[in-house]
Amino acid sequence: GAGVSQSPSNKVTEKGKDVELRCDPISGHTALYWYRQRLGQGLEFLIYFQGNSAPDKSGLPSDRFSAERTGESVSTLTIQRTQQEDSAVYLCASSSSSWGREKFFGPGTRLTVL
Amino acid sequence: RKEVEQDPGPFNVPEGATVAFNCTYSNSASQSFFWYRQDCRKEPKLLMSVYSSGNEDGRFTAQLNRASQYISLLIRDSKLSDSATYLCVVNIAGSGNTPLVFGKGTRLSVIA
Repeated sequence: GAGVSQSPSNKVTEKGKDVELRCDPISGHTALYWYRQRLGQGLEFLIYFQGNSAPDKSGLPSDRFSAERTGESVSTLTIQRTQQEDSAVYLCASSSSSWGREKFFGPGTRLTVL
Repeated sequence: RKEVEQDPGPFNVPEGATVAFNCTYSNSASQSFFWYRQDCRKEPKLLMSVYSSGNEDGRFTAQLNRASQYISLLIRDSKLSDSATYLCVVNIAGSGNTPLVFGKGTRLSVIA
């Protein structure tokens, strides 16, 4: 079966432009997470979706960041007016529930802001 | 205090050595625990879950100490292929909490 997929795999953009990153979780997984990982750094939590509950947005670093999820399927992470400090790998993970289950990660989107 | 803390390393060990990593967590509501492995420029992948009674998978042993709020990972007979960053992951219970918290990882380099 297919794992978590993300697109694009690489994105180079100019400072000030908007970008949209996509995550396709494993079918049937109710929980979906977005993380950011800067070069040589740990994973930084951004946002979490669980079923139809309100998302946990506590990790979004600024109002330039937003994310949506359609039901229990695709999620998009949007970064408006990108800045150079937004350069990182954006990782999406999904799991069959939020508690005690393995989280499967996608390969990530490497974002470079020039 | 950070929610999940790990020694960042790097741990440089020769092939065949035994190496151990510890991870401490601050939230006593933590319910489940994992070790993930992340290779350079790759996504994290589950290495093993950590059970209260401790568990072993081949050369890898994980243990949980709830009283002291730490988990450990022991790697015996290290292989070159074990070189990676090992992430401690804690699942925290309770509404309003982010349920999945990652440590920043411990880097291991196994040297021939």
